[in-house]
Amino acid sequence: NAGVTQTPKFQVLKTGQSMTLQCAQDMNHEYMSWYRQDPGMGLRLIHYSVGAGITDQGEVPNGYNVSRSTTEDFPLRLLSAAPSQTSVYFCASSYSGPTNYGYTFGSGTRLTVV
Amino acid sequence: QQPVQSPQAVILREGEDAVINCSSSKALYSVHWYRQKHGEAPVFLMILLKGGEQKGHEKISASFNEKKQQSSLYLTASQLSYSGTYFCGTPVNSDMRFGAGTRLTVKP
Repeated sequence: NAGVTQTPKFQVLKTGQSMTLQCAQDMNHEYMSWYRQDPGMGLRLIHYSVGAGITDQGEVPNGYNVSRSTTEDFPLRLLSAAPSQTSVYFCASSYSGPTNYGYTFGSGTRLTVV
Repeated sequence: QQPVQSPQAVILREGEDAVINCSSSKALYSVHWYRQKHGEAPVFLMILLKGGEQKGHEKISASFNEKKQQSSLYLTASQLSYSGTYFCGTPVNSDMRFGAGTRLTVKP
């Protein structure tokens, strides 16, 4: 009963470094998404995927890349980290999109860029 | 367009009721409600569908107003465990926008 698993839980990067945040779900959900959460700003959508091989941009996609080669995995890549990307990142999945189904969130990755 | 939540914060005594509102500039087809405790991930509470059907928590309910541009979340007989930040989410096609949150504190 793992649900949505995110790794790592914490990460410190230097400006300009790249890294990948991992997200995996074992519920056979078609829809997966990445959000960032900053104080006082709620959750903002970075990228989402409606199924393997299909991805699209959300509200704040710049500086991030995603791919979805399998139903289970949806990694988020930071291409060249900037201090403005310091945030808490959440991966979420749902059976079939948000119109009719709730999200299951991962436990989050707290990222600091120095 | 991000939905607007009100109030921003509310403090209750155990056993009291609370209402949290989520407003949009457009008619809502469905509304999600989540609760997040400090340092944890948001947890799905319920979804309110366009026909008024609800799927989720047994002690929490929600409704639309007449024009379906506002949803209200009703927390009855609040318990200490209800404390946290409540977010509404409004789907737009395959995208979902969240409100900035309402911080609820329940005191003994």
